[in-house]
Amino acid sequence: NFMLTQPHSVSESPGKTVTISCTGSSGSIASNFVQWYQQRPGSAPTTVIYEDNQRPSGVPDRFSGSIDSSSNSASLTISGLKTEDEADYYCQSYDRSNWVFGGGTKLTVL
Amino acid sequence: QVQLVESGGGVVQPGGSLRLSCAASGFIFRTYGMHWVRQAPGKGLEWVAVIWYDGSNKYYADSVKGRFTISRDTSKNTLYLQMNSLRAEDTAVYYCARDLGDGGGFGYWGQGTLVTVSS
Repeated sequence: NFMLTQPHSVSESPGKTVTISCTGSSGSIASNFVQWYQQRPGSAPTTVIYEDNQRPSGVPDRFSGSIDSSSNSASLTISGLKTEDEADYYCQSYDRSNWVFGGGTKLTVL
Repeated sequence: QVQLVESGGGVVQPGGSLRLSCAASGFIFRTYGMHWVRQAPGKGLEWVAVIWYDGSNKYYADSVKGRFTISRDTSKNTLYLQMNSLRAEDTAVYYCARDLGDGGGFGYWGQGTLVTVSS
């Protein structure tokens, strides 16, 4: 079964840039779009990146997504970190009628 | 604006049944696929089920196949999840989510409803 692997946690200081990786277990991660979701404590998830690198309206351009076929991975980059960015981030993709999430990455901004 | 409002959660005994509802507004419901996604306490997100925009196809996670049924009522703009033979491991917050439109992911999420399976 297709799986997505994320680091358990990352931390960085306000104003800095952080990148969260999401590695596919098999096949090509570029075969299907990757999405990224932000979930603040006690809240429902929200979509911050869809179709690999598209931002929904209202999501600041500090958030960006990319695909690296050579490492079979997707990345979410957040620049100019703010304390409000502290949250859990999940990558997600699709494989043969199965929608798959990564295990989530806890971002600490300190 | 898009709104998804879940209801129907609660406490149920193992082996019991529950039906969740998700009232949709702010978009043309009949033109979008809809999903259920759940999150066990302190755990990550797990996709549960999807129904095509016209109800023609339904797919389920292996963990719920044969026990859960997803359905929709276009006249009421409402999505449902019928959950039977519930187990302790089904305890979670259940979110409904609107498909992006390309079938690959989720564009909008509801606030969730908590299901607790316990004796």
